[in-house]
Amino acid sequence: GQQVMQIPQYQHVQEGEDFTTYCNSSTTLSNIQWYKQRPGGHPVFLIQLVKSGEVKKQKRLTFQFGEAKKNSSLHITATQTTDVGTYFCAGNDRGSTLGRLYFGRGTQLTVWP
Amino acid sequence: NAGVTQTPKFQVLKTGQSMTLQCAQDMNHEYMSWYRQDPGMGLRLIHYSVGAGITDQGEVPNGYNVSRSTTEDFPLRLLSAAPSQTSVYFCASRRPGQGLWETQYFGPGTRLLVL
Repeated sequence: GQQVMQIPQYQHVQEGEDFTTYCNSSTTLSNIQWYKQRPGGHPVFLIQLVKSGEVKKQKRLTFQFGEAKKNSSLHITATQTTDVGTYFCAGNDRGSTLGRLYFGRGTQLTVWP
Repeated sequence: NAGVTQTPKFQVLKTGQSMTLQCAQDMNHEYMSWYRQDPGMGLRLIHYSVGAGITDQGEVPNGYNVSRSTTEDFPLRLLSAAPSQTSVYFCASRRPGQGLWETQYFGPGTRLLVL
């Protein structure tokens, strides 16, 4: 069945360092979404990528979707303490019913001041 | 708009008790879902609905029931609570997309402890 793997599970960085989380799917995805969950909070939608090789930027965040639409990455440049939280990727299998979105296990980011 | 609301925020149950987790949205979204979140496991889909009167199972449906009598409400019922159902439960909703996923909005969550 559909599987979305995400690494690393944890990342600790010093403020100002860069951070990257990677997402890999066992099947080709029709699109991929990224969410951020602050400690004690709920997931909040960040962005959706649809096209093969797509790259989108939100300020210090850069999102990429692989050419084969099986992998994606989120890169944060010069992390800040406000970036603390867990980042999830979520993919929609090209062949699946529209109601099902498969989440990775998330990468928990800690930023030391 | 209140967005997606969930009640209660916290609940403690004894093994074997039943209860209903409430979820409501005021955005007229057709698609609604229930997820559970356990440490290190990410978000796992329990049940989802693509419209009033239509529901389907997700990855981990056992021990849970849902119904969707209105567009706004999507309650999750635990029939006989077990310690393995201790988790944080999130309800989410979105508009139907044109073959793509629209932004999914999550509720604040219900933290459930089963003793």
